[in-house]
Amino acid sequence: GQQLNQSPQSMFIQEGEDVSMNCTSSSIFNTWLWYKQDPGEGPVLLIALYKAGELTSNGRLTAQFGITRKDSFLNISASIPSDVGIYFCAGQRSGGSNYKLTFGKGTLLTVNP
Amino acid sequence: DVKVTQSSRYLVKRTGEKVFLECVQDMDHENMFWYRQDPGLGLRLIYFSYDVKMKEKGDIPEGYSVSREKKERFSLILESASTNQTSMYLCASSSAGTGRGYTFGSGTRLTVV
Repeated sequence: GQQLNQSPQSMFIQEGEDVSMNCTSSSIFNTWLWYKQDPGEGPVLLIALYKAGELTSNGRLTAQFGITRKDSFLNISASIPSDVGIYFCAGQRSGGSNYKLTFGKGTLLTVNP
Repeated sequence: DVKVTQSSRYLVKRTGEKVFLECVQDMDHENMFWYRQDPGLGLRLIYFSYDVKMKEKGDIPEGYSVSREKKERFSLILESASTNQTSMYLCASSSAGTGRGYTFGSGTRLTVV
């Protein structure tokens, strides 16, 4: 099945640094979602984006739905140790198969205190 | 608090055993999904169900089957467990047509020895 192109695969940063990751697709999505998975847990929804060009914040997290509807990015500002985990992007289409998400392979974030 | 509950966090089974992984959601969601997660491979869809007694194969259904006799419960069955089925298994659910993504369970770490 299709997967989104998510980059980078992994990041190792110092506490306090800003982080940026992105997702691209060869096809259009109507919804973009960003999830975080803590070690040993299931993914949890961070941000959902529903409109091309939309910019949405959730605390130190900011995500954007690309104008072309084929990409999205997530920024984390002033990282802290609890930001450690795997971040997944996901795209969803409307229509007949709208219940299925397409996922990126994830970005593994490590924050050095 | 709405939830997707997976019956076991950790399981160790022997090769050849029949294994049942149970998932229950309390959100009255129509759609339910089973994924496996392996390092470097991201989330891979095994099976999903969009209604009671309905099921569809995902990307990697070989060696697995599913059962959905009630709306809230979706079971993943490993007919004859093999060592290459050692993995993290994640259950998820979603509401039809809302475009609001999935709610995941906490995962079951299955080891087949």
